[in-house]
Amino acid sequence: GAGVSQSPSNKVTEKGKDVELRCDPISGHTALYWYRQSLGQGLEFLIYFQGNSAPDKSGLPSDRFSAERTGGSVSTLTIQRTQQEDSAVYLCASSSGRKGGYTFGSGTRLTVV
Amino acid sequence: AQSVTQLDSQVPVFEEAPVELRCNYSSSVSVYLFWYVQYPNQGLQLLLKYLSGSTLVKGINGFEAEFNKSQTSFHLRKPSVHISDTAEYFCAVMGNQAGTALIFGKGTTLSVSS
Repeated sequence: GAGVSQSPSNKVTEKGKDVELRCDPISGHTALYWYRQSLGQGLEFLIYFQGNSAPDKSGLPSDRFSAERTGGSVSTLTIQRTQQEDSAVYLCASSSGRKGGYTFGSGTRLTVV
Repeated sequence: AQSVTQLDSQVPVFEEAPVELRCNYSSSVSVYLFWYVQYPNQGLQLLLKYLSGSTLVKGINGFEAEFNKSQTSFHLRKPSVHISDTAEYFCAVMGNQAGTALIFGKGTTLSVSS
């Protein structure tokens, strides 16, 4: 596609529920990244997929967070048993190479009530 | 591992004044450096990047940044700002070896008033 597409754009969920956030990267981009943006905290790296290699999960804050990337394209970030501190904007980005910078999606704003 | 420190969380300036947004990084390996801009209610957009070569890099909208290896800095500058430059600016660093992701600073909010 023309850009990185994320859905839903907004999600309100009750504490304790599971949520799934979707990312459609730019066609042909081999690398896909998830970040979390909280007020005053900048962008926090969560997870990185590169081709068929094992993902770099070093940024996931707890075992309630997981992500997968099917067929080297679409990715889903899953948060189980959501907590209020999970409220943030979740951003997805993709790239075709490391030197080009990333193209970001518009994000999913998650609110846990 | 890499880290980024943006020294100012907020920078208020008047229109047509010069501005400098400061960024320092830490890394044990050579790095690539980036500045991203996020306008209100919009996504992140690449402003400029340093990969190698000339230490002065020019980006979109009249911004430029200078890589200083000895001071581990990558400050962003613009000689004359406009109201439309009001946004949040993020500095980011990536180690130049494969398998590393961009690490972002906490951002600097630039507020331009008339």
